Amino acid sequence: QKEVEQNSGPLSVPEGAIASLNCTYSDRGSQSFFWYRQYSGKSPELIMSIYSNGDKEDGRFTAQLNKASQYVSLLIRDSQPSDSATYLCAVANAGNMLTFGGGTRLMVKP
Amino acid sequence: SAVISQKPSRDICQRGTSLTIQCQVDSQVTMMFWYRQQPGQSLTLIATANQGSEATYESGFVIDKFPISRPNLTFSTLTVSNMSPEDSSIYLCSVEVLAGATDTQYFGPGTRLTVL
Repeated sequence: QKEVEQNSGPLSVPEGAIASLNCTYSDRGSQSFFWYRQYSGKSPELIMSIYSNGDKEDGRFTAQLNKASQYVSLLIRDSQPSDSATYLCAVANAGNMLTFGGGTRLMVKP
Repeated sequence: SAVISQKPSRDICQRGTSLTIQCQVDSQVTMMFWYRQQPGQSLTLIATANQGSEATYESGFVIDKFPISRPNLTFSTLTVSNMSPEDSSIYLCSVEVLAGATDTQYFGPGTRLTVL
């Protein structure tokens, strides 16, 4: 069974700090990796996608991928209270079907 | 990205009845998907809605319970049939769009279903 694992949290960080969210996956054939943010009562919103090993930066967000370790992470710099949400890691297989992790709840405290 | 709408946004239904959820996207897309998100849980794929052919269902989901239509490249419906309280969930449609070099899924606003 293809699995995507995340720590459910909550992960609590002070405002201005770096939040580090982690995700591991079991399917070595996975091709693309996504981070979605979901506010309570809302639908998932795409933040980042990554498909090559290394880092990809977009504003305050950095996605990191290590296919050898089957590990993908999301760093949020200068965390803001508005970043408080559940972050979902999603992994696409060769057929582009997504498998979602359980999500990590992030709380940024002022 | 794509602009996706869903109707209804929420509904409260009686046990044994059926509800049809509509998903409309502002551009033609090949791939549309239906997900379920049970309270406090992550997303589970129900099926892929294929235009011009039957939907492809994931393990644990069957056509009799979740019939899907895909009449054209901008619209799909999901019906939740013979509902029970266990069907209370958020139902989400998504579309796949080529964003840069990667096919990416974008989600509609969801339909919050409560079954009494």
